Amino acid sequence: NAGVTQTPKFRVLKTGQSMTLLCAQDMNHEYMYWYRQDPGMGLRLIHYSVGEGTTAKGEVPDGYNVSRLKKQNFLLGLESAAPSQTSVYFCASSYSGGRSNQPQHFGDGTRLSIL
Amino acid sequence: QQPVQSPQAVILREGEDAVINCSSSKALYSVHWYRQKHGEAPVFLMILLKGGEQKGHDKISASFNEKKQQSSLYLTASQLSYSGTYFCGTEGRPKNQGGKLIFGQGTELSVKP
Repeated sequence: NAGVTQTPKFRVLKTGQSMTLLCAQDMNHEYMYWYRQDPGMGLRLIHYSVGEGTTAKGEVPDGYNVSRLKKQNFLLGLESAAPSQTSVYFCASSYSGGRSNQPQHFGDGTRLSIL
Repeated sequence: QQPVQSPQAVILREGEDAVINCSSSKALYSVHWYRQKHGEAPVFLMILLKGGEQKGHDKISASFNEKKQQSSLYLTASQLSYSGTYFCGTEGRPKNQGGKLIFGQGTELSVKP
């Protein structure tokens, strides 16, 4: 049982380049999230999805796009990378059932450096 | 708005106790607690939903004061394995679709032998 898998684990980009980060979950979760983590800032929500074909903006969406074409996958795109996007990116997923909140399950992260 | 955690960092000796606080300026529906070890993913500890609720997980417990919009995490008789950064994640009222959380800046806990 893999849980939440992120690819790649590390990447170095030059300013202006584009790339896509892939998140895949095998838990049949409806909700998926992309966060960035910077020192002293905690986890900040970039975009999230409540189901296949849906996406919504989080706290810090500028400079990023996302797509959820399949329930199990959530893609994060950087169209024109900037040094300010150097960060560790985490994907998470959670079950949506019932009124009770469900824990978020995190992937191992992608360490992205923009030069 | 990001919840505020205190303290920002704490150093303990094995067996000592610690309290980490999480305070929000907004009305809360729920509070989540996660622990993250260096270079690893955050790991879920517990969720508190109701005001006054308390939960326990081994020797780690938490409380949620809905009226004060605060939650506290209690670590009792700390072990070396408790070292890491602790985050609270809050969901404001009314409950939002998608269960999205706003995380605090984290509290770094170091347990020394």
